[in-house]
Amino acid sequence: QKEVEQNSGPLSVPEGAIASLNCTYSDRGSQSFFWYRQYSGKSPELIMSIYSNGDQEDGRFTAQLNKASQYVSLLIRDSQPSDSATYLCAVNTGGFKTIFGAGTRLFVKA
Amino acid sequence: EADIYQTPRYLVIGTGKKITLECSQTMGHDKMYWYQQDPGMELHLIHYSYGVNSTEKGDLSSESTVSRIRTEHFPLTLESARPSHTSQYLCASSNGDRVDYGYTFGSGTRLTVV
Repeated sequence: QKEVEQNSGPLSVPEGAIASLNCTYSDRGSQSFFWYRQYSGKSPELIMSIYSNGDQEDGRFTAQLNKASQYVSLLIRDSQPSDSATYLCAVNTGGFKTIFGAGTRLFVKA
Repeated sequence: EADIYQTPRYLVIGTGKKITLECSQTMGHDKMYWYQQDPGMELHLIHYSYGVNSTEKGDLSSESTVSRIRTEHFPLTLESARPSHTSQYLCASSNGDRVDYGYTFGSGTRLTVV
């Protein structure tokens, strides 16, 4: 079992829809959770951080954390073609150790 | 503007050559990292540093070395490049003590060893 698992996709949604990206992790002691967006040929860019159970909202993005289920999700409302990218889930298990998932590719169709 | 810079952006080099990938940040972050990423795959930690004169190995470090003589500078050296080193190398930095506030990545170096 991988330490951070994501569905590789691609996930295809129409413009204006809600895109839902999911991630599970194996270490129950994990403390910090992140979503990064990576455009093709570019480096990852931090878009959301979440540290406690519940929802964290920033504009069109909402991160959701459920530590009991070891589950993190990212919702993108009113999806735009410019949101088409690979979304990386990352989990910090303490200290230096941040584990990245392989990412979910998202396509938003105009 | 505070940022993190990597050079070169692209590098093609012959087998057996020694190379140094440069990374500098102007954000005053204590923590810096080197990751390797192949297309469609996870990022793998190569080395990390918590501050000046502090470096540690990650999962893929056996064929490379790093130094941290200044807070802002964290170069990665491959003593003898091999085709298996062909990959994207990403430098990152972060802030925070007990809590990790997430990484800022450089633009990356795409290395091809022929």
